[in-house]
Formats: sequence, structure tokens, C-alpha cells
Amino acid sequence: DGGITQSPKYLFRKEGQNVTLSCEQNLNHDAMYWYRQDPGQGLRLIYYSQIVNDFQKGDIAEGYSVSREKKESFPLTVTSAQKNPTAFYLCASMDRGRNTEAFFGQGTRLTVV
Amino acid sequence: AQKVTQAQTEISVVEKEDVTLDCVYETRDTTYYLFWYKQPPSGELVFLIRRNSFDEQNEISGRYSWNFQKSTSSFNFTITASQVVDSAVYFCALSEAIVNFGNEKLTFGTGTRLTIIP
Repeated sequence: DGGITQSPKYLFRKEGQNVTLSCEQNLNHDAMYWYRQDPGQGLRLIYYSQIVNDFQKGDIAEGYSVSREKKESFPLTVTSAQKNPTAFYLCASMDRGRNTEAFFGQGTRLTVV
Repeated sequence: AQKVTQAQTEISVVEKEDVTLDCVYETRDTTYYLFWYKQPPSGELVFLIRRNSFDEQNEISGRYSWNFQKSTSSFNFTITASQVVDSAVYFCALSEAIVNFGNEKLTFGTGTRLTIIP
């Protein structure tokens, strides 16, 4: 079945450590997105990528980094510079050519302990 | 810059009542796409509808209907005869068309938490 897979579902990190969230899609979509969701808030865009080896900052990119070395993969690294990393992270992909809906993964809940 | 506003933070209605969720958007593009998503307690986002800026026809899908009005930049969502299973957070989103390669963004509103009281 085609879709987007995020792993892990739950992640715990000690303060000061970097952590990488995985996002893989087999939908052959060009565009991929990372969003952050805090309790009671909407989805805020962290980074997005339209093609391999290229990506743009979203609205809250500080403290995060991404790479897009393969079309199907768009990992997000939460660095120690991110002051409040505890949140729910969602990855999405979309077929830009037809601008259909964005497909979402099941999310990763990151908790800093 | 594009923006989506969902002014209703939380709504509660009794089961079987009708409810409308508001969505107002801002964009400088003439070609764009609007979406509604549902987020149940499990967290994943479920796609409900996509509408392009050239199609102002209202749409009905079962108990769901959408009213798109370009004149007021609104894309409202109505649930008729609400059910407890409709309880979720609903998001409206905006995507500008592919006019400038590499600059396309998908922007979400802050969401409306809908609670259906049995």
C-alpha cells in the first residue's frame, strides 16, 4: 500500500541532544513538508521541499534541519538549539504536478526529558 | 503572503444539530487550492475535500457540505445532523498554485475543535 511512514511514533530525548525524525513516502510525490503541532494549536510549517536536494524554510525553522537526498525520504533533525522541542511532528507529501491533497503520516510525538 | 484564519477555537453542539465551521483565507494569487482536513484523537490528518479557486460550486458529500465564496474569501464547512463520531479538530488549509518553482507552501489554519455532545 502506498503512503507515508513516520518513525518512531513516540520519542524521548534528553536536553542538549540532537534527534532525527524519519519520514518516508512511496507515493512518488515531489513535495514533502514537516509541521509542528502544539497542544491546542494549529500546524506550523517547519521546512518544505519541492525537489530532491532542495528545501526551503517554513515559518518556524530555527533549531531544525532537514535533508532531501532521495525523493522518498525527508528526515527532520531537531537540534539542541531548539528551545522547546516537545511537540507532535507531522510529515506530509503532495503531488505538485496535479496539486492533489497532501497525504500525512501518523506523526511522531517528541518529549524532552 | 498566504494566511488562513479559523476564528472558532472550540465549538460544542448537541448531537443531531447542524454546525458550521468558518474558514477565511488571504492570498495574492488568483490560482490556489483550499482544503479541509479532520484530525481525530489518534492524531493523523484525514483529507475531506479540495477545491480550486476557479470552482465556486458548493459541494455536498453525505452530511458534509462546503460553501466557497471568493467574494468574501471564505470556505466554510457544514456538518448536518451531527454525530458523536464527528468530534475532532478540523483544519482548513491553503496552497498556492505552482507559479514559481520552489516557493509553494501549504498553510494551515489553527483549527477548530468540535465536540458533539450525545
